[in-house]
Amino acid sequence: GAGVSQTPSNKVTEKGKYVELRCDPISGHTALYWYRQSLGQGPEFLIYFQGTGAADDSGLPNDRFFAVRPEGSVSTLKIQRTERGDSAVYLCASSLNPAESSTDTQYFGPGTRLTVL
Amino acid sequence: LAKTTQPISMDSYEGQEVNITCSHNNIATNDYITWYQQFPSQGPRFIIQGYKTKVTNEVASLFIPADRKSSTLSLPRVSLSDTAVYYCLVGPFNQAGTALIFGKGTTLSVSS
Repeated sequence: GAGVSQTPSNKVTEKGKYVELRCDPISGHTALYWYRQSLGQGPEFLIYFQGTGAADDSGLPNDRFFAVRPEGSVSTLKIQRTERGDSAVYLCASSLNPAESSTDTQYFGPGTRLTVL
Repeated sequence: LAKTTQPISMDSYEGQEVNITCSHNNIATNDYITWYQQFPSQGPRFIIQGYKTKVTNEVASLFIPADRKSSTLSLPRVSLSDTAVYYCLVGPFNQAGTALIFGKGTTLSVSS
């Protein structure tokens, strides 16, 4: 079946601009996660949604970062006033509610590579 | 979440068995051990998960000793396409919303 998809695959923007990154989770997965991966590092957690609500946003680096999931499926990560340090690959993952499986395996999309010039 | 330690890099040749060991001395009773694989320009891919003893699937085996303070990912007869970064993660993965804490992983290079 279809996996997690993310658009765009690449995004180049200028410092100070606003960007939106989209994630389509696996159908039926109620949990959705955003991670950020810098070159040579492992992914770092940003935010977790259970359904429509952000259950854990402790990984968001500052208030320029915001994410929504209005209908409990597609999610959008929004970055305001982008900075060069925001350049990274932004990864989305989804999982089934563990009430329906013994462990909550996260399945990742291919990521969006964001470059801030 | 328990901290994990794994080698930064490993080299192998095609056809060999590769074993990557991960240390997690502070693993908690309700923690599971999970391994992910990541190719360049792709998201991490789930390989295998276990709680104790041995788990095997079509891709790999995971060996966990009784004290659970370490685990070993075993890849049988690697090929060039197994060249990737392998991450060991530990956490209560039977609970929803558990953020995955990645280290730098082990970069496996397979040569012909």
